[in-house]
Amino acid sequence: DVRLVESGGGLVQPGGSLRLSCAASGFSFSSYWMHWVRQVPGKGLVWVSRINVDGSDTYYADSVRGRFAVSRDNAKKTLFLQLNSLRAEDTALYFCAKEGDWNDLDAWGQGTLVTVSS
Amino acid sequence: QTVVTQESSFSVSPGGTVTLTCGLRSGSVSTSYYPSWYQQTPGQTPRTLIYNTNSRASGVPDRFSGSIVGNKAALTITGAQADDESDYYCVFYLGSGISVFGSGTKVTVL
Repeated sequence: DVRLVESGGGLVQPGGSLRLSCAASGFSFSSYWMHWVRQVPGKGLVWVSRINVDGSDTYYADSVRGRFAVSRDNAKKTLFLQLNSLRAEDTALYFCAKEGDWNDLDAWGQGTLVTVSS
Repeated sequence: QTVVTQESSFSVSPGGTVTLTCGLRSGSVSTSYYPSWYQQTPGQTPRTLIYNTNSRASGVPDRFSGSIVGNKAALTITGAQADDESDYYCVFYLGSGISVFGSGTKVTVL
């Protein structure tokens, strides 16, 4: 079975940094594009970032471009999201998701909570 | 900035039919946006229902169907059940690697 497990969330001060990880198993990780999606508790889902199979192409929502960086280690089957210059509005549950064959998100992790507060 | 619009809430009777829509504030939706739909109950991970406009994900009951209606993507629940009470989100692929979620529709079954 496909399994995605996020980690690395926590409490960070405004302006700080954090690195999220997503450990993948149950599928050929190096063959699939991957995404990050976030959700403020009680609010809607928001697409954050996408990365291609070898990490050479990355894409971001306007709200995080220039501050966040997505990367991957195919040998370790792990997806990363580096969060820099964090703001209060970045507080959210961050999900990693596997892309399906039709630009959809066909598997999701449980999420890791990032709280930006002084 | 592209804005994807969804109804904020819908109520449906058990056994009834409801159609949720997903549009663009400016422009029409077509299959080239590869609309997909996700169900999320509070505290749970999203579940994929529909991909590529009208294809059901594995294990999704056939009471869920996707389509293009007019200039919007649509998700229809036919024969609603109590456990369909959830939030429903659409996603469009805008091209150039960018995707965008709709704001979500809360469906109540009562």
